[in-house]
Amino acid sequence: DAGVIQSPRHEVTEMGQEVTLRCKPISGHNSLFWYRQTMMRGLELLIYFNNNVPIDDSGMPEDRFSAKMPNASFSTLKIQPSEPRDSAVYFCASSLQGFQETQYFGPGTRLLVL
Amino acid sequence: AQTVTQSQPEMSVQEAETVTLSCTYDTSENNYYLFWYKQPPSRQMILVIRQEAYKQQNATENRFSVNFQKAAKSFSLKISDSQLGDTAMYFCALLLIRGGKLIFGQGTELSVKP
Repeated sequence: DAGVIQSPRHEVTEMGQEVTLRCKPISGHNSLFWYRQTMMRGLELLIYFNNNVPIDDSGMPEDRFSAKMPNASFSTLKIQPSEPRDSAVYFCASSLQGFQETQYFGPGTRLLVL
Repeated sequence: AQTVTQSQPEMSVQEAETVTLSCTYDTSENNYYLFWYKQPPSRQMILVIRQEAYKQQNATENRFSVNFQKAAKSFSLKISDSQLGDTAMYFCALLLIRGGKLIFGQGTELSVKP
């Protein structure tokens, strides 16, 4: 199994630009999670999907952030417009079903907004 | 509110020795899981070990074992025969079955020295 796949691995962009992060969960996993990691705030859950449906987006910082999961094998996290304070490592994780099953993390996308 | 506390921001150990990382948590729930995740310099989050709260027996995975003290709400990780490849940030995490939230501690940076 290839594990959770994220792209790009690194992204450098200028303030105001749109950023799209991509995630392919482990095949057969029904739940997908987006996390953000910063030195100041540690790991934060942004949103999670169950069977492609967003269940809890209370962690999404503001309207500039949006996430979609059009099918079971693909999800995107979009930031528009991006700001320097969005600089962080963004992780995608998947599990067989919800939080009660172990989450497997992708390698992360390191985002730098200048 | 649920919290996870890792009181040791940094630790170091000599290769081949044993080290214990501490973690305490707070929750009023009775059904939960606890995890230790490892984040090496590559930034990927790797599951190390998982403990179900209803199990009294401490989980073990090769050189990794936990000391789960439910009454004290303590969940420490012991790494035996430390290897250079164990150098990483280690995160303790609490998963609540009801309501579904995965809460991470701030992490402990472990350095294994040759």
